Amino acid sequence: KAGVTQTPRYLIKTRGQQVTLSCSPISGHRSVSWYQQTPGQGLQFLFEYFSETQRNKGNFPGRFSGRQFSNSRSEMNVSTLELGDSALYLCASSTVPGLADPTDTQYFGPGTRLTVL
Amino acid sequence: EDKVVQSPLSLVVHEGDTVTLNCSYEVTNFRSLLWYKQEKKAPTFLFMLTSSGIEKKSGRLSSILDKKELFSILNITATQTGDSAVYLCASDSWGKLQFGAGTQVVVTP
Repeated sequence: KAGVTQTPRYLIKTRGQQVTLSCSPISGHRSVSWYQQTPGQGLQFLFEYFSETQRNKGNFPGRFSGRQFSNSRSEMNVSTLELGDSALYLCASSTVPGLADPTDTQYFGPGTRLTVL
Repeated sequence: EDKVVQSPLSLVVHEGDTVTLNCSYEVTNFRSLLWYKQEKKAPTFLFMLTSSGIEKKSGRLSSILDKKELFSILNITATQTGDSAVYLCASDSWGKLQFGAGTQVVVTP
């Protein structure tokens, strides 16, 4: 079974631009979560989508947004990029939201490394 | 404010040593505690703990949760160089994961 895929893997942008990152979950997984990882703040939760609906949201400004499509693929968008947005953006998928099944786990993709100049 | 705190932040051990990693948490709507291993790539899942006092084991790794004292430990016995990584714990509040800063473990030959 193919794992979580993220595109692109690397991205360089300049301040003020916007960026869209894509995540394809494991086949059959309907929940997708996004995280930002930086050396200073560690792994921080951005948002979670299930059945095209945002179920949970972390403490990030409105410049960070996302959506999920009917095939469970998800995109996240960051507008008006700032230097501090440079980070590894990870998405993770699971079969159901909230890891409701004790045997369920959340599988991470390889991430997109975003550099803002 | 929800928080997850891991200790120590880093440690260096020799092959064959046993390490114990700590994770304390204060979160609302707590459901489970997760452990991940992260090398130079995405985190890989190790354990999910939902009940107090029940040890989970996978090879040389084991973990336990104390829901009364709000902490978890991850043990690695007979460490190998391949165990070198950052170990992350995270609290799950029904789909919203809060991660600790991680413990960097370096195993020297």
